[in-house]
Amino acid sequence: DIQMTQSPSSLSASVGDRVTITCRASQSISSYLNWYQQKPGKAPKLLIYAASSLQSGVPSRFSGSGSGTDFTLTISSLQREDFATYYCQQSYSSSATFGGGTKVEIK
Amino acid sequence: EVQLVESGGGLVHPGGSLRLSCAASGFIFSSYEMNWVRQAPGKGLEWISYISNSGSTIYYTDSVKGRFTISRDNAKKSLYLQMNSLRAEDTAVYYCAREAGGYSYGPYDYWGQGTLVTVSS
Repeated sequence: DIQMTQSPSSLSASVGDRVTITCRASQSISSYLNWYQQKPGKAPKLLIYAASSLQSGVPSRFSGSGSGTDFTLTISSLQREDFATYYCQQSYSSSATFGGGTKVEIK
Repeated sequence: EVQLVESGGGLVHPGGSLRLSCAASGFIFSSYEMNWVRQAPGKGLEWISYISNSGSTIYYTDSVKGRFTISRDNAKKSLYLQMNSLRAEDTAVYYCAREAGGYSYGPYDYWGQGTLVTVSS
């Protein structure tokens, strides 16, 4: 199976900060990389698909980049409602796998 | 409006069985691949099973192979997960998730609210 490694596992940031989360695949997955946001007690929400495409309704402060094995999720100016846990997911293979998650906390 | 509503979770003893259901509405269910994803308490997301739109192609993660069975009834717009030989490590919130169309394996664009399965004696 393809392993997905996210870093950092957690971070503290302030409102207005630029935040970057990275995700690395154990083999090339082209651009089959998705990002989700999850808030406590809620289902995950799709933010970015195909590495860099913004899901409908998601604010433009979220962006994704990368291809092959290295990917990045960027929040250009962190808002209070963005404090959550973020997961990457590869959809390259039939066995989809998720990264371990990055918890974004208030500094 | 797309909706996915899971049901069937609860407390079960180790070795027991449970059947989860996911009722879909607001879209043409028979056109979409579906998945089950689980999340153990305080842990990350784990994909566990996939079923194609027709039900002809099915995949499982290794830890549930031989114990869990995914199925669907397109006429009833419902997805199922039959879970047998349950173990303590199967304790989790179970989500059904729809794959976006147009991909070999797509992102999950809609999720249910989840149903909690607790395996304990």
